[in-house]
Amino acid sequence: EAGVAQSPRYKIIEKRQSVAFWCNPISGHATLYWYQQILGQGPKLLIQFQNNGVVDDSQLPKDRFSAERLKGVDSTLKIQPAKLEDSAVYLCASSLAWAGAIYFGEGSWLTVV
Amino acid sequence: QQQVKQSPQSLIVQKGGISIINCAYENTAFDYFPWYQQFPGKGPALLIAIRPDVSEKKEGRFTISFNKSAKQFSLHIMDSQPGDSATYFCAASAKSSGDKLTFGTGTRLAVRP
Repeated sequence: EAGVAQSPRYKIIEKRQSVAFWCNPISGHATLYWYQQILGQGPKLLIQFQNNGVVDDSQLPKDRFSAERLKGVDSTLKIQPAKLEDSAVYLCASSLAWAGAIYFGEGSWLTVV
Repeated sequence: QQQVKQSPQSLIVQKGGISIINCAYENTAFDYFPWYQQFPGKGPALLIAIRPDVSEKKEGRFTISFNKSAKQFSLHIMDSQPGDSATYFCAASAKSSGDKLTFGTGTRLAVRP
């Protein structure tokens, strides 16, 4: 079974530029999450989707971050404009709607200079 | 109330020894307690998980001990191996909150040969 796919794996941008990350969840997983992991810390939830709809985006900095999940499958996370403190790993994860087990992709590493 | 506290921050164990990592939580609505293992440059991988209806779960060399009254749970790694060297995160989620995970701060484990 294929895992959660993410791209790009690495991105370096200048502050105030924009960046987009793509995620393809495990087939059949209705719930999709984006987490931010700053070096040396645990992942922090940014947004959770259930199929096409947003379940929780309370910790998403909406002035600069946006996310969408079209057709209930793939998702994109966009940052515009980026700040230095956005340097982190952006982890996509997915789960079956009814289960607790959440599976992570390998992450997209963002460096803002 | 959503916080999960994890200790120690780092741990050094000799090969063959027992590694023990502890977590504590406050939110009594949490009903799923997974442990994740993360190697450098990789996303967190689900290692083992427990629900509060049991006090212990064992999978190979990995055991979760759960104390509901104390609101604590721990990961025990028996016969620790150098290949176990990684960062370990405890986490908790509640079905009432959409199963989103709240992570501990992580424990960096080094197993000396």
